[in-house]
Amino acid sequence: EAEVAQSPRYKITEKSQAVAFWCDPISGHATLYWYRQILGQGPELLVQFQDESVVDDSQLPKDRFSAERLKGVDSTLKIQPAELGDSAMYLCASSFADRALGYTFGSGTRLTVV
Amino acid sequence: AQRVTQPEKLLSVFKGAPVELKCNYSYSGSPELFWYVQYSRQRLQLLLRHISRESIKGFTADLNKGETSFHLKKPFAQEEDSAMYYCALSSRNSGNTPLVFGKGTRLSVIA
Repeated sequence: EAEVAQSPRYKITEKSQAVAFWCDPISGHATLYWYRQILGQGPELLVQFQDESVVDDSQLPKDRFSAERLKGVDSTLKIQPAELGDSAMYLCASSFADRALGYTFGSGTRLTVV
Repeated sequence: AQRVTQPEKLLSVFKGAPVELKCNYSYSGSPELFWYVQYSRQRLQLLLRHISRESIKGFTADLNKGETSFHLKKPFAQEEDSAMYYCALSSRNSGNTPLVFGKGTRLSVIA
């Protein structure tokens, strides 16, 4: 079964450092989502891509977060500088343009900022 | 505003007992409702969606528009049902809008 790949699985970084996460969606999935899941809460959308274009980044803290999907395939989410409150699970998900055909989550990257 | 409320953080039941995980939502348009499950050390995965009206692993959920609820039910809980359950909604009118999740309920089935 095809999977959404994410790396790294775990990341520990010091406050004020830069950190990056990578996501490779399922082949053919045009839509890619980054979610953040703080401990004890449900996932919350950070950014949505349709191919290489940003569809919704209204909840992305743009002063420190950036996301790109240059060729409309894999994607990178960056935080610079990291803050203690950024400690969370960062989930990537992908789907066909019509979500009714499938919406799959990756295993996530657990970030700890110390 | 879109909102999903799962009032119980933790639900413990005995094996063989009925299970009901509550979900209430707030949405101004036509919502599509989902239940996602996350087993220990596994990724989030779709359990069921209201438009398909199917039963997965013995779980069912009925959309009640009057009460704006989408409770998840199973008549006889199994130990392997122990997991984190998330209710989520999205717009029914658009194919690729993101999901809005509740905070989740941890189900613990006691042998």
